[in-house]
Amino acid sequence: GEDVEQSLFLSVREGDSSVINCTYTDSSSTYLYWYKQEPGAGLQLLTYIFSNMDMKQDQRLTVLLNKKDKHLSLRIADTQTGDSAIYFCAERASNDYKLSFGAGTTVTVRA
Amino acid sequence: GAGVSQSPSNKVTEKGKDVELRCDPISGHTALYWYRQSLGQGLEFLIYFQGNSAPDKSGLPSDRFSAERTGGSVSTLTIQRTQQEDSAVYLCASSLGQGAGEAFFGQGTRLTVV
Repeated sequence: GEDVEQSLFLSVREGDSSVINCTYTDSSSTYLYWYKQEPGAGLQLLTYIFSNMDMKQDQRLTVLLNKKDKHLSLRIADTQTGDSAIYFCAERASNDYKLSFGAGTTVTVRA
Repeated sequence: GAGVSQSPSNKVTEKGKDVELRCDPISGHTALYWYRQSLGQGLEFLIYFQGNSAPDKSGLPSDRFSAERTGGSVSTLTIQRTQQEDSAVYLCASSLGQGAGEAFFGQGTRLTVV
């Protein structure tokens, strides 16, 4: 089965880059997702990458995938106070429907 | 609709009462999922619907939990004889189909059992 792990907390200064890390275990073709959850809100899909890709960039967000180490990262450039939230990494095998989530990384942006 | 809609957004109920949580998926999405988010447990899968059928109910924590989906659209999650450990945020998501594309989540229903 899948086991997704993330560090629990990250503190970053406004304007700096944030890097959130995640490891996964599924060895088959896999989709990997980043979701954002603001206080009292549901999950917002930020971006996703398929396991045959190395990188995906979308405005301030860059996803890097190291397939050998099964390591996924999300970089947020020019971090703003509105980026303070919990970020969840999730994986789904391409022939499955179930998402397996990490515990979430709480990102705090300080002035 | 424009997004996944859940109601109510908050529900406080007394222990032992039954509750119904509703999910309106994105129009045209045939796959629908319920997850539960609670302190210490993270995000847990509860049940998956493809159309009106639920091929996977493996995540339902007990026989007090049930769900149905009608017309391939709206889904209701029912919890009977609620217990305090049922307190959590219940999240619904939908996607185009099994294994097809990303899942979009609703805002969730925060259930508090007192």
